[in-house]
Amino acid sequence: QQQVKQSPQSLIVQKGGIPIINCAYENTAFDYFPWYQQFPGKGPALLIAIRPDVSEKKEGRFTISFNKSAKQFSLHIMDSQPGDSATYFCAAKSNFGNEKLTFGTGTRLTIIP
Amino acid sequence: EPEVTQTPSHQVTQMGQEVILRCVPISNHLYFYWYRQILGQKVEFLVSFYNNEISEKSEIFDDQFSVERPDGSNFTLKIRSTKLEDSAMYFCASSVQTTTSEQYFGPGTRLTVT
Repeated sequence: QQQVKQSPQSLIVQKGGIPIINCAYENTAFDYFPWYQQFPGKGPALLIAIRPDVSEKKEGRFTISFNKSAKQFSLHIMDSQPGDSATYFCAAKSNFGNEKLTFGTGTRLTIIP
Repeated sequence: EPEVTQTPSHQVTQMGQEVILRCVPISNHLYFYWYRQILGQKVEFLVSFYNNEISEKSEIFDDQFSVERPDGSNFTLKIRSTKLEDSAMYFCASSVQTTTSEQYFGPGTRLTVT
């Protein structure tokens, strides 16, 4: 129940396309859902995060869509660029004195010119 | 922009040896974390630390692991007797508080146990 399932495992998109990465969770106590971007040999960098009181959040070219009833959330990258090529992790955290982030398995995104 | 720093960037050690991984969290942050990532796998939580004590730990964080905040700036992870399967990237993270704030990760220490 603590798992966060992420798909796809890898994704190749042409420059300018809109890659979509999906995550699903079971634990209804999760109430904070960040996305992290990781380049090879680097630490995860916080990209954007959402709480379940909104269905969508947009920051620049990155948008999170959140479906509370389905317990799913997704990351959309508008006008994707080769520099967006990285591994993306979704994560979740609950609010009940529980501090750990539970990460998804990651999506390796490649944007081809 | 403030950032979490970690040293060393790469540590090679022999099986059975003790290692200490060091982190300097962002200065006004109060919560500190260690995560690890085995090559090609997801990031896994190890431990969280607040007010000079462990607030939560995972089943991975057994008796061979310990954490400490020896002074006002450093946060360390000690692995007492390393095993081959401890080879991984170890990430330190920090946050201002826990329930409402983001966790910021350091660049990681690659630990190789031979």
